[in-house]
Amino acid sequence: DTGVSQDPRHKITKRGQNVTFRCDPISEHNRLYWYRQTLGQGPEFLTYFQNEAQLEKSRLLSDRFSAERPKGSFSTLEIQRTEQGDSAMYLCASSFGGASQYFGPGTRLTVL
Amino acid sequence: AQKVTQAQTEISVVEKEDVTLDCVYETRDTTYYLFWYKQPPSGELVFLIRRNSFDEQNEISGRYSWNFQKSTSSFNFTITASQVVDSAVYFCALSEAPGGAQKLVFGQGTRLTINP
Repeated sequence: DTGVSQDPRHKITKRGQNVTFRCDPISEHNRLYWYRQTLGQGPEFLTYFQNEAQLEKSRLLSDRFSAERPKGSFSTLEIQRTEQGDSAMYLCASSFGGASQYFGPGTRLTVL
Repeated sequence: AQKVTQAQTEISVVEKEDVTLDCVYETRDTTYYLFWYKQPPSGELVFLIRRNSFDEQNEISGRYSWNFQKSTSSFNFTITASQVVDSAVYFCALSEAPGGAQKLVFGQGTRLTINP
C-alpha cells in the first residue's frame, strides 16, 4: 500500500495527558499537511511542511500543539495537556509540490 | 479571506436519480484551484477532482460531472444515475495558487444518501 498512512487510527485519552500521532506520507511527496475535522464540519488546516521545514501554522494550533518532520519523511503531531475540545479527527495529507493533496485515514482522538 | 459554502447540508435520493451538489466560493486570488473530495463512512477523504481557475471547461468522468462557472463563483458536482455506493459526505474545497502553502479551505460538506 503506497498511500498516506496514519497511526494510531483511534486514541482515547484522559484530559491532561499528552498524545502523539504519526503520519507517513506517500514516499515521493515533499509536502505534508495536518488538518483537524470536528463532527459535522469540514477539515481545517493546522500546519504544513515542505521537506523538513514547517512553513505555516494556523492560529488554531495553540502552544499545546507541536508538529515535526525531522527528516522530511514522516511527521508527528503532539498535543500536550489535552482538553476535551481537542477531541476530533486529525487528518494528514501529502502532495508533491503544489499538486493535489492525498489524505490518510485519520486519527480519531477522544479526550475524556 | 477564502471561503467555501455548501448550502445543502443533506440530500437524500432514490437510486438511479441524478443529483447535483452545489458549491459556491469566495476568494480575492485571481488564480486558485477548486477541488471535490468524497468522505465515505470509513472516514478517509478521497480525492475526486482538481480544477484550475483558468480552466472553465466542464469535466466528465463516468457518472460524475463538474460545472465550473467563474461568473457565479460556483463549482457544482453532478452524479448521474446515482448508486448506493455514492452515499458519503462530499466536500468542496479551495486553495490558493502555486507559491504559497496551498492549504485547502473546505466547505461544511453535503451528506448524500442514496436509497435503494
